[in-house]
Order: sequence, then C-alpha cells, then structure tokens
Amino acid sequence: DIVLTQSPALAVSLGQRATISCRASQSVSISRYNLMHWYQQKPGQQPKLLIYRASNLASGIPARFSGSGSGTDFTLTINPVQADDIATYYCQQSRESPPTFGGGTKLELK
Amino acid sequence: EIQLQESGPGLVKPSQSLSLTCSVTGYTITSGYDWSWIRKFPGNKMEWMGYISNSGSTNYNPSLKIRISITRDTSKNQFFLQLNSVTTEDTATYYCARGGTHFDYWGQGVMVTVSS
Repeated sequence: DIVLTQSPALAVSLGQRATISCRASQSVSISRYNLMHWYQQKPGQQPKLLIYRASNLASGIPARFSGSGSGTDFTLTINPVQADDIATYYCQQSRESPPTFGGGTKLELK
Repeated sequence: EIQLQESGPGLVKPSQSLSLTCSVTGYTITSGYDWSWIRKFPGNKMEWMGYISNSGSTNYNPSLKIRISITRDTSKNQFFLQLNSVTTEDTATYYCARGGTHFDYWGQGVMVTVSS
C-alpha cells in the first residue's frame, strides 16, 4: 500500500498562511493526473472534501484553500487562515488500490 | 441535496458480525459512482474498507477481504456493510461515502465499539 506521511500538527496565526504537507512513499501521479486529495475534519463531524486531484477546488470550498504538487510531494495551502479553519486535515491517494490516507495534520492557533 | 446516513448497532461482541446500513437520499445509487465504506480508528488513522459500484460490483481492501461484504438494496437506495469475526481492533467510527477514488459526500458516521 502507498504510505502517506503528514506532520502531526501545525501552529498558525489567524490571517497568516498555513502550508500543510503530504509525502507519498511512491509517486501518485499518472501522466498529467496527480491523484492526491485533501479533506478537512472538525471534531464530531464527517470529513469534507476540499481539493481533488491535487489542485481542483471541491464544490462550495472557499478560494483561500488551494493545493499543489506532483509525484510524491503535495501541499495544501490556506491563505489567509480563519478561525473556522481550525481542524484536522488529511491527504488521500487514489493512484493505487486500496486508497490510503495520511495520518492527519492538526491545525492549531499560535 | 445528497445525503448519506449510517445506521446500526453501536456495540458488537468480539467474534460476532458488524452490520451497518447507509441510506442515501438525493441521488440514486444505481445512477453512477461507487459507494464506499471508510472507518476512522481512535487515534485518527483512516482506512478505506471497500465499495460497491453503481452496477453492483464490489472492490475490497485486501486487508479485510476475507471478512468483509458490501451489498445493496436498490429498491431502498441503501447499501450495507458486513464485517465478520470482529475484534476489539475493529472499534472505530464507520462512515459511508460517495466515490471510489476520492469521496465527495460522507455520512455523519456511526461509532462502533467491539467489546464483551
């Protein structure tokens, strides 16, 4: 299975930029498709899809969220961070079955 | 609006079977997409368990292949999870979701504890 590695936590100030990273144990890109996706989860809620295929904003997601990357290294950027963005963020790959998730990065306030 | 809702017992005894239902409204499960079960363990690890496609074929995580079954009732627009021979390590929050590669709609989740 493809292993996705995320830092456990990231501290950020409101109004600043947050950059959350995800590294895959092997490439999750095929041709021009980067098969990495990002989710936000708040306590007691279900995960919410933010970004699909590395850089595509899911429906209803604010433009302060963006994604980038290819191969094995991917980034979710939140700019500027708002109070409502405090949550845990997960990356997930679909290059190979089974789809796998990263361990999550908890975004905290500085 | 598309909504998914899990239901089922919150407590299962070791060695027994875990059975959950996902009821879908706002979209017909035979119209398209795959329909997945995903679980989140205490400590935040998430695991994709498997899916049933809109045509009724299934795809399971090899780690669960001998214990899992996903079926559906198209007349009720529901799909189901059965996990056999559960242990305490199957204690998790179970989610149903739309998709087989990425997951764009999720249920609220149901917490299942395996304990005697």
